[in-house]
Amino acid sequence: EADIYQTPRYLVIGTGKKITLECSQTMGHDKMYWYQQDPGMELHLIHYSYGVNSTEKGDLSSESTVSRIRTEHFPLTLESARPSHTSQYLCASSESKGEKLFFGSGTQLSVL
Amino acid sequence: LAKTTQPISMDSYEGQEVNITCSHNNIATNDYITWYQQFPSQGPRFIIQGYKTKVTNEVASLFIPADRKSSTLSLPRVSLSDTAVYYCLVGNSGGYNKLIFGAGTRLAVHP
Repeated sequence: EADIYQTPRYLVIGTGKKITLECSQTMGHDKMYWYQQDPGMELHLIHYSYGVNSTEKGDLSSESTVSRIRTEHFPLTLESARPSHTSQYLCASSESKGEKLFFGSGTQLSVL
Repeated sequence: LAKTTQPISMDSYEGQEVNITCSHNNIATNDYITWYQQFPSQGPRFIIQGYKTKVTNEVASLFIPADRKSSTLSLPRVSLSDTAVYYCLVGNSGGYNKLIFGAGTRLAVHP
């Protein structure tokens, strides 16, 4: 099955801190995605990448930024966390051809 | 990008067959239809994917009519552990492709 990992699983942090959510996959997938999801609500695409040095913003505006320096790594950074950033962040990847997404376990972020 | 419409929620009982229908009226020729299952506090998990007619795997069947403007996910003999949110996605692998999730269908299976 899929090998996509997110760390940390849970993060509680104070307002104004810089944070980076890690996402790595060992499947060699070109496409990677970040989704944001509040409890009981739908997933919103906030960033995606089609390959190294390729990043695009998704449909939901986000103050976070992403980078794709290596195929297997797609970290998400918040320069200054705020309570409004409290949410679950899900990373996913897929092959170049095909829409089968593999998701990580997610990072539950709480900003106090 | 094809928009999808699903029922917000459904209720069933253990041992019954559950059919969840998704409408995608503006599906494109190259689009595939993919269904995912999500449990609370977890990422969605791939269930099944199809292009036309019928696809069956060990957990579900997917029925797609000839016009492809809708699709039906069929879960045979559901159990309590099938209680989850089910998402229908429509998209293709060529070029510009953002996989957008709709609201999904919240299935509750009762004893």
